[in-house]
Order: sequence, then C-alpha cells, then structure tokens
Amino acid sequence: EAGVTQSPTHLIKTRGQQATLRCSPISGHTSVYWYQQALGLGLQFLLWYDEGEERNRGNFPPRFSGRQFPNYSSELNVNALELEDSALYLCASSLRTSYGYTFGSGTRLTVV
Amino acid sequence: GNSVTQMEGPVTLSEEAFLTINCTYTATGYPSLFWYVQYPGEGLQLLLKATKADDKGSNKGFEATYRKETTSFHLEKGSVQVSDSAVYFCALSGSSGANNLFFGTGTRLTVIP
Repeated sequence: EAGVTQSPTHLIKTRGQQATLRCSPISGHTSVYWYQQALGLGLQFLLWYDEGEERNRGNFPPRFSGRQFPNYSSELNVNALELEDSALYLCASSLRTSYGYTFGSGTRLTVV
Repeated sequence: GNSVTQMEGPVTLSEEAFLTINCTYTATGYPSLFWYVQYPGEGLQLLLKATKADDKGSNKGFEATYRKETTSFHLEKGSVQVSDSAVYFCALSGSSGANNLFFGTGTRLTVIP
C-alpha cells in the first residue's frame, strides 16, 4: 500500500513569491491535514480537509490556504512568502472518524 | 484551549537505560492522547495511543498511561536501544467534532552504544 506522498521534497522560493505544496493521501482516506514544523516549534496545525471541505483551521494568516480535490489529494498554497515561512510542511491523512494519522515525509520550504 | 507541554531535550541515554519523556496537557473535554515518533528523514509514525482515563497504550516496549488527575501521559521504556534514537511527539485530539491533533514541541532522544 502506498503511503502519503508529498511533492516536491524541497522547494526554494524568494520572499514575496507563492508556493504550492501537494499531498496524496493513502487510498481510502478522506481526511487530509497540514502541519508546519518550524525549527524548535514542534508541529503547528494548519488545515484539515475532509470530503473536499475545509473542516478546521489553525492560527495562521489567510495567506495560508488550500483545497482538497475530488480524489482527496490536497494542495497547500502560501502566498506572499515571508522568511519565517521556512519550515518543513507535513501532510497527514486518515479516515474521517479516526485519529490514526499517517504522515508523509514532508516538503522542506526555504524562503530566501 | 488545547495544548501539550513536553520535557525539553535533547535526551541522551546509554543502551539499556530506562527512558521517561514527560508530557502534560491542557484540554477541554476528554481528549485522546498519542505518542508519535519521527525517525531521521522520515515522517511521523503513531507509536501508541490512549482514548480514556487510566488507559495504557503500549507498543514496541514503550508504554504511556493516561492520567486524568495529573493531566499527564508520560512515555516510558524499560531498556532503550540505539534504534530508538528519534524525535518523540506527544499529542492530543481536538475538541469534540474536530479531528485535528495538537502536538508538543518534540523531544529528541539519542541512544549511545
């Protein structure tokens, strides 16, 4: 069974640009979660999508947004990039009613 | 609100030593509690979980007991191995109806031979 896949593995952007990160969940999982793992700050919850809808949102500005497609894959968009957006962005998937997350290996975003 | 506080690392132990990583939480309602592990270069993996007070989660020799009276979920292992070197995250579930997890800052464990 394929795990959660994220692309790209690494992304380098300039301040002010936009970044798009992608996530494919495990087959059968309808929920996708996005987390930011900045150095020394642990995992900060960003977004939760399920069945194509945004279900919950963490304490991040509106320039962090995303969507979930009919095949349950998901995109995270970060607009107007700032230096402090540099982090590892982790995606996880689960069944709707389960806390049994499966994480991907992440996308390392570097803003210069 | 919901939050998790973990002991600060890094923690360095010799092989076969006893491990404790402290975790305390603040939550509304009755959350489920989790320990995740992140090996170098990999995503997080669920290590164990407990869904109600006094439950004990266990896996791969690791244990943690859900203590409602002390709002704690400390991770323990009787004899660590070099292969246990990783970052360990304590987490709790969101409020009723919310499926997202809240994570602690993580504790890096290094086990030396």
